Order: sequence, then structure tokens, then C-alpha cells
Amino acid sequence: KAGVTQTPRYLIKTRGQQVTLSCSPISGHRSVSWYQQTPGQGLQFLFEYFSETQRNKGNFPGRFSGRQFSNSRSEMNVSTLELGDSALYLCASSGRLAGRDTQYFGPGTRLTVL
Amino acid sequence: AQSVTQLDSQVPVFEEAPVELRCNYSSSVSVYLFWYVQYPNQGLQLLLKYLSGSTLVKGINGFEAEFNKSQTSFHLRKPSVHISDTAEYFCAVSEGGNTPLVFGKGTRLSVIA
Repeated sequence: KAGVTQTPRYLIKTRGQQVTLSCSPISGHRSVSWYQQTPGQGLQFLFEYFSETQRNKGNFPGRFSGRQFSNSRSEMNVSTLELGDSALYLCASSGRLAGRDTQYFGPGTRLTVL
Repeated sequence: AQSVTQLDSQVPVFEEAPVELRCNYSSSVSVYLFWYVQYPNQGLQLLLKYLSGSTLVKGINGFEAEFNKSQTSFHLRKPSVHISDTAEYFCAVSEGGNTPLVFGKGTRLSVIA
């Protein structure tokens, strides 16, 4: 079974640009959550999508947005990048497989804003 | 609102020695508790979780944790660590259902040969 895939793995952007990150969940999982990891703030919840609908949202500015497609793949977008957006962005795939609730994290996308 | 406190940011320990990584949480409702491990340049891997039932939870790689409701703690233990256990460990809490995970700041475990 393939794991959670995140692309790209590394990204370098400059301030003011925008970026789109992609997450492909485990086959059969319908929920995708996004987290931001920084040395100062640790791991913080961004948002969660389930069946193409945003189900939960963390405390981030509107520059951070996301969406989910019918095949459960999710994208997150950050507009007008700031230096403080440099972070590891992790996505987690959740769902019920073989009668058990399961959750797996992807390897992350490391975003550097210059 | 929920919060998680990992009391130690770094824990050095000699190989084959026991280790305990401490985690305390606060929440006004019943919670689910998790421990994750993160190896360098990798995502998070679930070590173990407490949802209900027995307060002693066994996980992968020989780790276990004990849920103590009166002390609002969920400390992670391993009786004998290996060099390969060197990593960052995160404690997390959720109120269940669709609520997101709230993570602690992490504890960096360094196993010394």
C-alpha cells in the first residue's frame, strides 16, 4: 500500500510570491489535514478537508487556503509569502481501513522563503 | 482549550538505559492522547495512542505510555533505548471525532553510545 505522498519535497520562494503544495492520501482515506511545523511554534494545525469540504480550520491568516479534490488529493496554497512562512508543511491522511481508524503522515514539504 | 506541555526539550540518555519522556495535558473534556516520533527529515510516525480502556498502552519499537487522569499526564517510557531511538518525540491530544491534534513542543531524545 502506498504511503502519503507530498510534493514537492523542497521549495524555495521569495517574499510576496505564492506557493501550492500537494498531498495525496492513502488509498481509501477521505480526510486530509495540514500542519505547519516551525522551530519556534512547533506543530500547528492549519485545516482539515473531508470529502471536498473544509471541516476544521486552525488559527492562520486568510493567506493560507486549501482545497480537496474528488479523488481526496488535497492542495494548500499560501499567497503573499512572508519570511515567517518558512516551515515544514505536513499533511496527514485519515480514514477507516479494515475496520480500524488509521492516520498516517506524509514526509512533508520544506518551504524556504527568502 | 486543550494544551500539551512536554516538560523536557532535550533528554540525553546512554544506550541500554531506561528513559521517560514526560507529557502533561489540559482539557475540559475527555481526550485521546498520542505519541509520535519524528526522525530527521521525515514526517511523523505514530508510536502509540490512548483512546479508552487500559491506561497502560503499548506501542511500536518497545515504547509504552501510561495515562494518568488525576495527574493529567501521559508519560512515554522505554526500558532500554537503542541508538536508533535518537529522534524528536511529540505528545499530542485530541478531543476525538473530527477535532484536530494539538501538539506539544517536542522532546529531542539523544541516545549516547
